[in-house]
Amino acid sequence: DTAVSQTPKYLVTQMGNDKSIKCEQNLGHDTMYWYKQDSKKFLKIMFSYNNKELIINETVPNRFSPKSPDKAHLNLHINSLELGDSAVYFCASSPTSSGTGVYEQYFGPGTRLTVT
Amino acid sequence: AQKITQTQPGMFVQEKEAVTLDCTYDTSDQSYGLFWYKQPSSGEMIFLIYQGSYDEQNATEGRYSLNFQKARKSANLVISASQLGDSAMYFCAWVIQGAQKLVFGQGTRLTINP
Repeated sequence: DTAVSQTPKYLVTQMGNDKSIKCEQNLGHDTMYWYKQDSKKFLKIMFSYNNKELIINETVPNRFSPKSPDKAHLNLHINSLELGDSAVYFCASSPTSSGTGVYEQYFGPGTRLTVT
Repeated sequence: AQKITQTQPGMFVQEKEAVTLDCTYDTSDQSYGLFWYKQPSSGEMIFLIYQGSYDEQNATEGRYSLNFQKARKSANLVISASQLGDSAMYFCAWVIQGAQKLVFGQGTRLTINP
């Protein structure tokens, strides 16, 4: 009964490669997010989608491209991987971003990306 | 820019003692929410407690309570009767109503000693 799932959990790859991380939520939420946690444990939002539409893009390099095929899925594709992309990437979801309230975000287990 | 600060990089507490983790934020917005998340060594982010800016009562969830002082812009997490399983990183996060973008503090690493 996993609420927010991510695959893969671990990803080790070489510089210059292209990789994808997948995220799925079964909570019926409208909004999904990608966060990056760096080696110092600092968490920062990258993107958010509401009903398949991009609503937040936080000065992330163009090499990162999120895609939401439907509101239950949000994938992250990364081109030309660099050493600095090594981090833990968290997917999250929340009921809505309609502007009428504040909602808890439910996080996936994270994907640890290591670029060598 | 909105900012959220956790001034304690690490804390060590004896088991069964209460512990307070500090969190201050800097915003001119009136409608916002504050969250606390726990991240154990296994890495997942676990929601603990939430406080809305208009909530008059401090939030409580089991052993967790939030000491919300709006005028001082602080939202400290209080864990009563600490347990060994409470050892983890704890993150305070702030979100403006409608934006849904969580802004996280730097985190506090809590270690509970037996």
